[in-house]
Amino acid sequence: DGGITQSPKYLFRKEGQNVTLSCEQNLNHDAMYWYRQDPGQGLRLIYYSQIVNDFQKGDIAEGYSVSREKKESFPLTVTSAQKNPTAFYLCATGSGITEAFFGQGTRLTVV
Amino acid sequence: AQSVTQPDIHITVSEGASLELRCNYSYGATPYLFWYVQSPGQGLQLLLKYFSGDTLVQGIKGFEAEFKRSQSSFNLRKPSVHWSDAAEYFCAVGAAGGYNKLIFGAGTRLAVHP
Repeated sequence: DGGITQSPKYLFRKEGQNVTLSCEQNLNHDAMYWYRQDPGQGLRLIYYSQIVNDFQKGDIAEGYSVSREKKESFPLTVTSAQKNPTAFYLCATGSGITEAFFGQGTRLTVV
Repeated sequence: AQSVTQPDIHITVSEGASLELRCNYSYGATPYLFWYVQSPGQGLQLLLKYFSGDTLVQGIKGFEAEFKRSQSSFNLRKPSVHWSDAAEYFCAVGAAGGYNKLIFGAGTRLAVHP
């Protein structure tokens, strides 16, 4: 059935390591988004993409990178340049600003 | 700049009591407004949305919200809270211009006492 899938659910990163979070959707939506959630801060936009092979920085893009080679996929890489990566990461899809559909999230922890 | 304020970080109510969660927004044009709910460790689920028309909108799980342009508010209400409503609630405004995105408030955590 249609939806948006994030994997893995839990991810552990060592200091200085890059890790990639997966986000796949079969809703045929053009737009995809990555948000970071920290306690008491709501959701902050990291990157977004409106079409394949195009993406834009959000409010907190430093230390992150993305790609959009396929409409269905929008992976997020947390690089070693991100100094405080421990957070809950949410991927979403949408068509314009009508609404966003969210995945179940990935909890990233630095060990 | 667009912004969303949820003044209450935590709210506790008794089961069966009424609920109102506050949301104020700052947006230069007619806003698209949303309420989402999040259970611990889960993604966000849409409760309801307002685009235009009737300012009182009905959502899922018995929730409703009222858009008041004069007060820049979009408060969420429920007449009788159930224990399963305990969760975190997020208000969001749709911001167009350059690209489309949702701007979220910091959230209100709801606890329900039996």
